[in-house]
Amino acid sequence: DVKVTQSSRYLVKRTGEKVFLECVQDMDHENMFWYRQDPGLGLRLIYFSYDVKMKEKGDIPEGYSVSREKKERFSLILESASTNQTSMYLCASSFKLAGAHNEQFFGPGTRLTVL
Amino acid sequence: DQQVKQNSPSLSVQEGRISILNCDYTNSMFDYFLWYKKYPAEGPTFLISISSIKDKNEDGRFTVFLNKSAKHLSLHIVPSQPGDSAVYFCAASENDYKLSFGAGTTVTVRA
Repeated sequence: DVKVTQSSRYLVKRTGEKVFLECVQDMDHENMFWYRQDPGLGLRLIYFSYDVKMKEKGDIPEGYSVSREKKERFSLILESASTNQTSMYLCASSFKLAGAHNEQFFGPGTRLTVL
Repeated sequence: DQQVKQNSPSLSVQEGRISILNCDYTNSMFDYFLWYKKYPAEGPTFLISISSIKDKNEDGRFTVFLNKSAKHLSLHIVPSQPGDSAVYFCAASENDYKLSFGAGTTVTVRA
């Protein structure tokens, strides 16, 4: 079974703090993704990575950065947390097979509250 | 601007009856569509998908219909069961790995 794990289920931080969200997958997937889920807005893509040290901006990258030093690990960084970054953060991974649409596998999510 | 829209935030259905979830999209370049199911405190899990070259795909109790001319797809669940109570997300792709998601529809199956 594919397993995507996220370092924390719940996190409470203060405005201005630097926040690290970690994601690890064990299926040797090339692609990894970070989404945030907000009521009425669904899942919005923040950043994704299709290879080690590669990253691309998603639809809402402002205020975030990412790091992918190893294939299995993809980190989301909030350089200076703000209250509007309070959200559910979901990590996902998938294979990268040319010409194929590949299912994304999701982690359980991290509920981040910024006070 | 959201390219994938689920206009019904919630749906309540009696156990054993049909659940119909709707999804509209605006990007004509989308060529693959997926439905994900999400329980509280869990990540979304893949449910069923359909390629734009088809108009129907069936998997057990779940059937997805695609109407390309209307840019509309729907998910039918027959018969609905209590374990189907969850949030359902419609998603679409125009390449092989990036997905655009709708806002979700919360389904409640009443006993």
